[in-house]
Amino acid sequence: QVQLVESGGEVKQPGASVKISCKASGYHFSSYGIGWVRQAPGQGLEWMGWISGYNGNTNNVEKFQDRVTMTIDTSTSTAHMELRSLRSDDTALYYCARVVRGDQLYSVYYYMDFWGKGTTVTVSS
Amino acid sequence: DIQMTQSPSSLSASVGDRVTITCRASQGIKNYVSWYQQKPGEAPQLLIYAASTLKSGVPSRFSGGGSGTEFTLTISGLQPEDFATYYCHRYDSGPWTFGQGTKVEFK
Repeated sequence: QVQLVESGGEVKQPGASVKISCKASGYHFSSYGIGWVRQAPGQGLEWMGWISGYNGNTNNVEKFQDRVTMTIDTSTSTAHMELRSLRSDDTALYYCARVVRGDQLYSVYYYMDFWGKGTTVTVSS
Repeated sequence: DIQMTQSPSSLSASVGDRVTITCRASQGIKNYVSWYQQKPGEAPQLLIYAASTLKSGVPSRFSGGGSGTEFTLTISGLQPEDFATYYCHRYDSGPWTFGQGTKVEFK
């Protein structure tokens, strides 16, 4: 069965970096993308971006453009998301999700059908 | 960037009610919208994609509609397990974004 498992929670100081991994299993990794979504305590979902499992192309939100690097390792079916220059407002639960791309008549669609349980990143001095 | 405005932010309803949640885009985005349900302590779950296509296995009381700038998620006959927070998500050519969320609470 499809599973996405994020790495363990982290506590970081402001200004530091964090690298979260997302280990995928149960499907052909290169046929799907991996999206990253975060959720601050008590807040809504925030889309960060996604990476193609096929060619590693990324599509990130401009807000994170300078601080985020998304990569994949197809040999281990793992995606990574590094967030740099951490601030207190980066404290959140970080999810990875499988991104599906499909075609309908005259249009394309995307959705996230399987999600990890999320991993907590706490930024505090 | 295209803004996505979801309303209401919360609503109170009873079992059996019909509930409609709306997302409005600041520019036309065809049918590039999906809807997710999130229960406390859980990851989101996909309900609908391409504005109106129900994910396999999702109860038929959920339906989506709209295109262009206005999109709706309707729950026809609210069930106890439907009390949750719902998010729209746009995935057009610009930066993808979620709506602000709608919390459906028990009246």
